[in-house]
Amino acid sequence: KQEVTQIPAALSVPEGENLVLNCSFTDSAIYNLQWFRQDPGKGLTSLLLIQSSQREQTSGRLNASLDKSSGRSTLYIAASQPGDSATYLCAVQGGGADGLTFGKGTHLIIQP
Amino acid sequence: EAGVAQSPRYKIIEKRQSVAFWCNPISGHATLYWYQQILGQGPKLLIQFQNNGVVDDSQLPKDRFSAERLKGVDSTLKIQPAKLEDSAVYLCASSSDRFDTDTQYFGPGTRLTVL
Repeated sequence: KQEVTQIPAALSVPEGENLVLNCSFTDSAIYNLQWFRQDPGKGLTSLLLIQSSQREQTSGRLNASLDKSSGRSTLYIAASQPGDSATYLCAVQGGGADGLTFGKGTHLIIQP
Repeated sequence: EAGVAQSPRYKIIEKRQSVAFWCNPISGHATLYWYQQILGQGPKLLIQFQNNGVVDDSQLPKDRFSAERLKGVDSTLKIQPAKLEDSAVYLCASSSDRFDTDTQYFGPGTRLTVL
């Protein structure tokens, strides 16, 4: 059974810092890995999707890497802003149309 | 394009009562998912539909939860009778079957409180 772990559970940093969120998964036979953002009282917003054959994806100040063989992914946020405050969730998909297996998330606070 | 719609947004019931949630996926999306997110946890898949057929319901507590997707569009998730531990946010998501599109699009969720 696939298990996804996210470290740290919570993180508070001053505005402007670069930061890294970590995700690990137990079964390397994944189809893709996705990072989501969740704001309080709202649904999930997809940030980045990395196919199993890819090593990284970039979108603006966000960069996600994937090392499938070691079961790890990182989400790098550059020049953090207060608007980045949210819970960040990592999820893996075993097959193309399978449901997602999520970690518990990292609660991120960016201090102005 | 319109996103995934869910209703109601909030529901408070007493234990042993029944409740139903509704989801309307993005137009043309064949695959629909229901997830349960307990406070402090990541979402957990309850059931997955492909058109109006069930693909995966292995984590659905079938003694009290049921779901249907008539005509392969809207879906309803029902809990009968509800327990205290069912308090959670119920998220609906949909995705296209196109090979190059794997992203699941999530609705805003229904927050259920069981007293």
